[in-house]
Amino acid sequence: AQSVTQLDSQVPVFEEAPVELRCNYSSSVSVYLFWYVQYPNQGLQLLLKYLSGSTLVESINGFEAEFNKSQTSFHLRKPSVHISDTAEYFCAVSGVGDDKIIFGKGTRLHILP
Amino acid sequence: EAGVTQFPSHSVIEKGQTVTLRCDPISGHDNLYWYRRVMGKEIKFLLHFVKESKQDESGMPNNRFLAERTGGTYSTLKVQPAELEDSGVYFCASSSPKTADIQYFGAGTRLSVL
Repeated sequence: AQSVTQLDSQVPVFEEAPVELRCNYSSSVSVYLFWYVQYPNQGLQLLLKYLSGSTLVESINGFEAEFNKSQTSFHLRKPSVHISDTAEYFCAVSGVGDDKIIFGKGTRLHILP
Repeated sequence: EAGVTQFPSHSVIEKGQTVTLRCDPISGHDNLYWYRRVMGKEIKFLLHFVKESKQDESGMPNNRFLAERTGGTYSTLKVQPAELEDSGVYFCASSSPKTADIQYFGAGTRLSVL
Protein backbone atom coordinates (compact mmCIF):
# COMPACT_ATOMS: atom_id res chain seq x y z
CA ALA A 1 0.00 0.00 0.00
CA GLN A 2 1.04 3.56 -0.57
CA SER A 3 0.59 6.75 1.43
CA VAL A 4 1.30 10.43 0.83
CA THR A 5 2.12 13.14 3.32
CA GLN A 6 1.86 16.81 2.47
CA LEU A 7 3.47 18.54 5.38
CA ASP A 8 1.85 21.94 4.94
CA SER A 9 -1.88 22.48 4.76
CA GLN A 10 -1.44 26.14 3.80
CA VAL A 11 1.49 28.07 2.37
CA PRO A 12 1.38 31.88 2.11
CA VAL A 13 3.97 33.46 -0.17
CA PHE A 14 4.48 36.88 -1.67
CA GLU A 15 4.02 37.37 -5.39
CA GLU A 16 7.24 36.83 -7.35
CA ALA A 17 8.82 34.95 -4.44
CA PRO A 18 9.90 31.31 -4.75
CA VAL A 19 7.80 28.51 -3.26
CA GLU A 20 8.26 24.88 -2.34
CA LEU A 21 5.36 22.57 -1.52
CA ARG A 22 6.56 19.49 0.26
CA CYS A 23 5.47 15.93 -0.42
CA ASN A 24 6.71 12.66 0.98
CA TYR A 25 5.41 9.23 0.10
CA SER A 26 5.78 5.68 1.29
CA SER A 27 5.48 2.55 -0.78
CA SER A 28 6.81 -0.98 -0.85
CA VAL A 29 6.69 -1.06 -4.65
CA SER A 30 7.77 1.17 -7.51
CA VAL A 31 5.55 4.20 -7.93
CA TYR A 32 4.33 6.85 -10.26
CA LEU A 33 4.10 10.33 -8.76
CA PHE A 34 1.80 13.20 -9.62
CA TRP A 35 0.95 16.74 -8.68
CA TYR A 36 -2.62 17.81 -9.33
CA VAL A 37 -3.91 21.37 -8.96
CA GLN A 38 -7.41 22.62 -8.25
CA TYR A 39 -7.98 26.28 -9.05
CA PRO A 40 -10.93 28.02 -7.35
CA ASN A 41 -14.26 26.65 -8.60
CA GLN A 42 -12.60 24.27 -11.02
CA GLY A 43 -11.84 20.55 -11.21
CA LEU A 44 -8.60 18.71 -10.62
CA GLN A 45 -5.98 19.21 -13.29
CA LEU A 46 -2.80 17.22 -13.75
CA LEU A 47 0.11 19.60 -13.21
CA LEU A 48 3.01 17.23 -13.74
CA LYS A 49 3.94 13.59 -13.42
CA TYR A 50 6.88 11.31 -12.88
CA LEU A 51 6.55 7.92 -14.54
CA SER A 52 10.16 7.04 -15.34
CA GLY A 53 13.33 8.53 -16.76
CA SER A 54 14.57 11.94 -15.69
CA THR A 55 13.85 12.59 -12.03
CA LEU A 56 13.21 16.28 -12.69
CA VAL A 57 9.87 16.97 -14.32
CA GLU A 58 8.44 20.31 -15.37
CA SER A 59 5.05 21.80 -16.09
CA ILE A 60 4.17 24.31 -18.78
CA ASN A 61 3.55 27.08 -16.25
CA GLY A 62 6.94 27.04 -14.57
CA PHE A 63 6.51 24.48 -11.80
CA GLU A 64 8.96 21.64 -11.39
CA ALA A 65 9.23 18.61 -9.12
CA GLU A 66 12.08 16.25 -8.43
CA PHE A 67 11.67 12.59 -7.62
CA ASN A 68 14.07 11.68 -4.83
CA LYS A 69 13.91 7.96 -4.24
CA SER A 70 16.30 7.90 -1.29
CA GLN A 71 14.30 10.54 0.57
CA THR A 72 10.95 9.31 -0.81
CA SER A 73 10.06 12.87 -1.73
CA PHE A 74 8.50 14.66 -4.66
CA HIS A 75 8.56 18.34 -3.69
CA LEU A 76 6.99 20.93 -5.98
CA ARG A 77 8.85 24.17 -6.64
CA LYS A 78 8.45 27.39 -8.57
CA PRO A 79 11.10 30.12 -8.62
CA SER A 80 8.62 32.99 -8.89
CA VAL A 81 4.90 32.69 -8.18
CA HIS A 82 2.09 34.70 -9.71
CA ILE A 83 -1.31 35.58 -8.32
CA SER A 84 -2.80 33.12 -10.81
CA ASP A 85 -1.03 30.26 -9.00
CA THR A 86 -3.50 30.59 -6.14
CA ALA A 87 -4.95 27.09 -5.84
CA GLU A 88 -4.90 23.88 -3.86
CA TYR A 89 -2.15 21.47 -4.83
CA PHE A 90 -2.38 17.73 -4.34
CA CYS A 91 0.54 15.32 -4.35
CA ALA A 92 -0.45 11.81 -5.39
CA VAL A 93 1.06 8.38 -5.91
CA SER A 94 0.08 5.14 -7.56
CA GLY A 95 1.86 1.82 -7.58
CA VAL A 96 3.21 0.82 -10.97
CA GLY A 97 0.48 -1.24 -12.59
CA ASP A 98 -2.08 -0.18 -10.00
CA ASP A 99 -4.77 2.18 -11.27
CA LYS A 100 -5.73 3.49 -7.87
CA ILE A 101 -4.33 6.95 -7.04
CA ILE A 102 -3.55 7.81 -3.43
CA PHE A 103 -3.75 11.52 -2.66
CA GLY A 104 -2.26 13.70 0.01
CA LYS A 105 -4.47 16.07 1.98
CA GLY A 106 -3.61 19.00 -0.24
CA THR A 107 -1.74 22.28 0.26
CA ARG A 108 -3.46 25.61 -0.26
CA LEU A 109 -1.13 28.11 -1.85
CA HIS A 110 -1.99 31.71 -0.99
CA ILE A 111 -0.26 34.39 -3.04
CA LEU A 112 0.13 37.67 -1.17
CA PRO A 113 0.31 40.93 -3.12
CA GLU B 1 -12.19 17.18 -27.26
CA ALA B 2 -14.57 17.38 -24.32
CA GLY B 3 -13.18 16.59 -20.91
CA VAL B 4 -14.75 14.56 -18.14
CA THR B 5 -18.12 16.05 -17.29
CA GLN B 6 -20.09 15.57 -14.12
CA PHE B 7 -23.70 16.35 -13.27
CA PRO B 8 -24.93 18.02 -11.19
CA SER B 9 -22.23 20.38 -10.02
CA HIS B 10 -23.92 20.74 -6.66
CA SER B 11 -26.68 18.75 -4.95
CA VAL B 12 -28.35 19.53 -1.65
CA ILE B 13 -30.55 16.80 -0.19
CA GLU B 14 -31.97 15.79 3.16
CA LYS B 15 -30.83 12.81 5.13
CA GLY B 16 -32.65 9.69 3.98
CA GLN B 17 -33.18 10.88 0.42
CA THR B 18 -31.65 9.38 -2.70
CA VAL B 19 -29.19 11.13 -4.99
CA THR B 20 -27.71 10.04 -8.30
CA LEU B 21 -24.51 11.51 -9.62
CA ARG B 22 -23.52 11.17 -13.24
CA CYS B 23 -20.15 11.10 -14.96
CA ASP B 24 -19.43 11.24 -18.68
CA PRO B 25 -15.83 10.23 -19.36
CA ILE B 26 -13.68 11.38 -22.22
CA SER B 27 -14.74 9.61 -25.40
CA GLY B 28 -12.77 6.41 -25.93
CA HIS B 29 -11.65 6.11 -22.33
CA ASP B 30 -12.36 2.59 -21.13
CA ASN B 31 -11.24 3.28 -17.57
CA LEU B 32 -13.54 5.25 -15.30
CA TYR B 33 -12.93 6.03 -11.64
CA TRP B 34 -14.87 7.53 -8.79
CA TYR B 35 -13.19 9.35 -5.91
CA ARG B 36 -14.55 11.27 -2.96
CA ARG B 37 -13.25 14.05 -0.78
CA VAL B 38 -14.89 14.48 2.57
CA MET B 39 -14.28 17.94 4.01
CA GLY B 40 -10.83 18.33 5.48
CA LYS B 41 -9.64 14.93 4.38
CA GLU B 42 -7.86 13.34 1.46
CA ILE B 43 -9.38 12.55 -1.88
CA LYS B 44 -10.08 8.84 -1.63
CA PHE B 45 -10.61 6.19 -4.28
CA LEU B 46 -14.05 4.60 -4.43
CA LEU B 47 -14.04 2.32 -7.44
CA HIS B 48 -12.75 1.62 -10.94
CA PHE B 49 -14.60 0.46 -14.04
CA VAL B 50 -13.03 -1.04 -17.12
CA LYS B 51 -15.71 -0.57 -19.73
CA GLU B 52 -18.87 -1.80 -18.00
CA SER B 53 -17.13 -4.11 -15.52
CA LYS B 54 -16.15 -3.20 -11.97
CA GLN B 55 -12.41 -3.77 -11.73
CA ASP B 56 -11.94 -2.62 -8.17
CA GLU B 57 -14.59 -1.43 -5.74
CA SER B 58 -12.52 -1.71 -2.61
CA GLY B 59 -13.08 1.93 -1.70
CA MET B 60 -16.86 1.89 -1.65
CA PRO B 61 -17.83 2.86 1.90
CA ASN B 62 -20.92 0.66 2.31
CA ASN B 63 -23.88 -0.85 0.49
CA ARG B 64 -25.75 2.45 0.39
CA PHE B 65 -23.53 3.31 -2.57
CA LEU B 66 -24.23 1.77 -5.97
CA ALA B 67 -22.19 2.51 -9.07
CA GLU B 68 -23.14 1.48 -12.58
CA ARG B 69 -21.73 1.91 -16.03
CA THR B 70 -24.20 0.49 -18.48
CA GLY B 71 -22.80 0.04 -21.96
CA GLY B 72 -19.38 1.14 -20.89
CA THR B 73 -20.06 4.83 -21.49
CA TYR B 74 -21.32 7.13 -18.77
CA SER B 75 -21.47 6.08 -15.13
CA THR B 76 -23.83 6.83 -12.28
CA LEU B 77 -23.21 6.75 -8.56
CA LYS B 78 -26.33 6.42 -6.45
CA VAL B 79 -26.46 7.02 -2.73
CA GLN B 80 -29.55 5.55 -1.07
CA PRO B 81 -30.40 6.52 1.59
CA ALA B 82 -28.01 9.43 2.04
CA GLU B 83 -26.48 10.09 5.45
CA LEU B 84 -24.84 13.23 6.81
CA GLU B 85 -21.36 11.72 6.51
CA ASP B 86 -21.84 11.27 2.77
CA SER B 87 -21.39 15.00 2.26
CA GLY B 88 -18.33 15.90 0.23
CA VAL B 89 -17.09 16.33 -3.29
CA TYR B 90 -17.36 13.36 -5.63
CA PHE B 91 -14.86 13.30 -8.45
CA CYS B 92 -14.93 11.19 -11.56
CA ALA B 93 -11.86 10.47 -13.66
CA SER B 94 -11.14 8.57 -16.83
CA SER B 95 -8.13 7.21 -18.65
CA SER B 96 -7.49 5.57 -21.98
CA PRO B 97 -6.05 2.09 -22.42
CA LYS B 98 -2.95 3.59 -24.03
CA THR B 99 -2.14 6.03 -21.24
CA ALA B 100 -3.74 4.30 -18.29
CA ASP B 101 -1.27 5.91 -15.88
CA ILE B 102 -2.78 9.35 -16.44
CA GLN B 103 -6.25 10.02 -15.12
CA TYR B 104 -8.23 13.06 -16.21
CA PHE B 105 -10.61 14.43 -13.63
CA GLY B 106 -13.93 16.17 -13.84
CA ALA B 107 -14.89 19.27 -11.87
CA GLY B 108 -16.66 17.19 -9.25
CA THR B 109 -20.13 17.12 -7.72
CA ARG B 110 -20.48 18.77 -4.34
CA LEU B 111 -23.00 16.80 -2.29
CA SER B 112 -24.49 18.37 0.80
CA VAL B 113 -26.65 16.14 3.00
CA LEU B 114 -28.64 18.11 5.56
